[in-house]
Amino acid sequence: SAVISQKPSRDICQRGTSLTIQCQVDSQVTMMFWYRQQPGQSLTLIATANQGSEATYESGFVIDKFPISRPNLTFSTLTVSNMSPEDSSIYLCSVVMDGGFNEKLFFGSGTQLSVL
Amino acid sequence: AQSVAQPEDQVNVAEGNPLTVKCTYSVSGNPYLFWYVQYPNRGLQFLLKYITGDNLVKGSYGFEAEFNKSQTSFHLKKPSALVSDSALYFCAVRATNDYKLSFGAGTTVTVRA
Repeated sequence: SAVISQKPSRDICQRGTSLTIQCQVDSQVTMMFWYRQQPGQSLTLIATANQGSEATYESGFVIDKFPISRPNLTFSTLTVSNMSPEDSSIYLCSVVMDGGFNEKLFFGSGTQLSVL
Repeated sequence: AQSVAQPEDQVNVAEGNPLTVKCTYSVSGNPYLFWYVQYPNRGLQFLLKYITGDNLVKGSYGFEAEFNKSQTSFHLKKPSALVSDSALYFCAVRATNDYKLSFGAGTTVTVRA
């Protein structure tokens, strides 16, 4: 299995500031994704983190608000920019290893963000 | 577009009784189906998946799920529930050629002693 280190685990931030969340995997992975889980709700995909190129964003999410980097096959960052209380959520990175029947999908432990 | 429905927000059972958490899905082509569990203040933990083969899939902690193509369902089951199974359960689906997952709204399971 993959060991995913996601930092920080939680943070309390002021409105208007930005927070960068890091996701480090202990082995090379095929795909990396960022999800958001708003309070009491399910997970929603924010974007696919593409190595060496711009991330692919889902409907309702834009690069200016959620810039993503993925400089190599084991590391990615998600920045939540110009935060407002509505951004208070758990943010999770997810990785896919292998493929086909042996496909494995793992989630980080999440970053719980509270915006005041 | 793909989607998942978990019709029950909450499921309450007594310890030792069978547990069922329902899930139906919609996706183009053959589905890849997953169940995850989330304990308070913790990340998602993988329980089991269906990709192909036997419709009955066995997973972690004694859980199993049955894929029913005609009913587009993938219900999670455990023959004898434990108090420690109390958690939030998510069903997820993706298409064969796309790694992006769509999650259901989640079902809170409470197992009483």
